[in-house]
This record gives sequence, C-alpha cells and structure tokens, in this order.
Amino acid sequence: QVQLVESGGGVVQPGKSLRLSCVASGFTFSSYGMHWVRQAPGKGLEWLAVMSYDGRNKYYADSVKGRFTLSRDNSKNTLYLQMNSLRAEDTAVYYCAKEIEVWFLYYGMDVWGQGATVTVSS
Amino acid sequence: QSALTQPPSASGSPGQSVTISCTGTSSDVGGYNFVSWYQQHPGKAPKLMIYEVNKRPSGVPGRFSGSKSGNTASLTVSGLQAEDEADYYCSSYAGTNNLFGGGTKVTVL
Repeated sequence: QVQLVESGGGVVQPGKSLRLSCVASGFTFSSYGMHWVRQAPGKGLEWLAVMSYDGRNKYYADSVKGRFTLSRDNSKNTLYLQMNSLRAEDTAVYYCAKEIEVWFLYYGMDVWGQGATVTVSS
Repeated sequence: QSALTQPPSASGSPGQSVTISCTGTSSDVGGYNFVSWYQQHPGKAPKLMIYEVNKRPSGVPGRFSGSKSGNTASLTVSGLQAEDEADYYCSSYAGTNNLFGGGTKVTVL
C-alpha cells in the first residue's frame, strides 16, 4: 500500500545537526512533489518545505530557510531533510507528506508518514 | 507570513452540521484555489479531507464539503458523527509558500 516512513529523529543539542529520511513505497515516488511539515508539542501544523518531483524546485518557510535543506534520491524512493543549527524551538514531530497530484505542487497532501520526533535540548 | 485564522473550537450534536472558517488574505486564500483541509486525531498523522477548495479525495465521506468566498474558506461537516471529533486545519498556497491555520477543535456533544 501507499506508505511513507520517516526515520532519523532523536535528541540533539542546540546548534547541532540532524538528517531525517522519508522512504516511500506503493506509488511512483519520482512523479510527485514532497513536503515536510512539523508539529511542536501541543501546537498546530507548520509547513516547512516542498520539493518538486524532479528535485529541481524547492521552497522553504522563512523559519527554516538557510538552516534546513531538502533533497531527494528518486532511485531510492527517499526524501531527506538536513537540519543544521538546531534550536530548542525546532523540537517537534516532523512529517513528510506526498502531493495528491502528479507533477504539481501545493494542491494538497494526501499521504503522510507516521512522524519522526526531534528534541533539541542540552 | 502569518498563519491563516481559524476559530479555536466548534461543536455540534450528532446529526447536526458544523462549519469551520479559515480566513486569510488576497495573497493566499483569496488569490488561489489551492485550499485544503486536514483532520487530525490525537497522536495521529493528519488526513487530507478536502483539496483545491472543494474536492474530496477517494474515501472521504460526502458529508465533508469545502467552499470559498473571497479571502475566507470554509469546511462543513454535515451529519456529525462521533468519529468526526478531531482537530481540523486549513492550508493554502501563498506564492511558493504554504500556510496552515491554527487549527479548530471540533467537539461532538
């Protein structure tokens, strides 16, 4: 079935780095844009970034621009989020999500992973 | 950019309807037909309920519907059921960005 599985979360000190992975299965990964969305404890959803199906276009929220970097390896059906200079306020559950429409971006996110927990603390 | 504005809570009895608003600006909700709605139960990942303002993904019951007027989008849940009790988030394209609303907790009385 269509599935996204995140990994790479954990506890990290402020200022350090972490890389999240999102492995896709059950659909043609290389045809869909992919997003990262996070949710701080007890808070709402926050969109972080999106990457086009071919990796050529990527866009970031102001809150993470310059610190977080998106990449994807379509041969491995995997999306990555490299997070640098982490801050306490980056503590959250991080979800990867798939675009509902082939090729396009921003139409809607129809498949979500189970989430990876990132805790930034000294 | 600021988050979209949603009421923090809404409620209704089983069988009734509830409507949740999502207010943005002409740079997001009002400027594009790329509004989507997500349902989230505690401890679970969000689920897409409506996309492109009023389209339902396969498997979403017909009692969920979406609309938009000007800078405000709305999600209506008709014939409320106990399992509809959840948090609901709107989202909109905002010109290379994507914005979420603050979320609305729907309670089935």
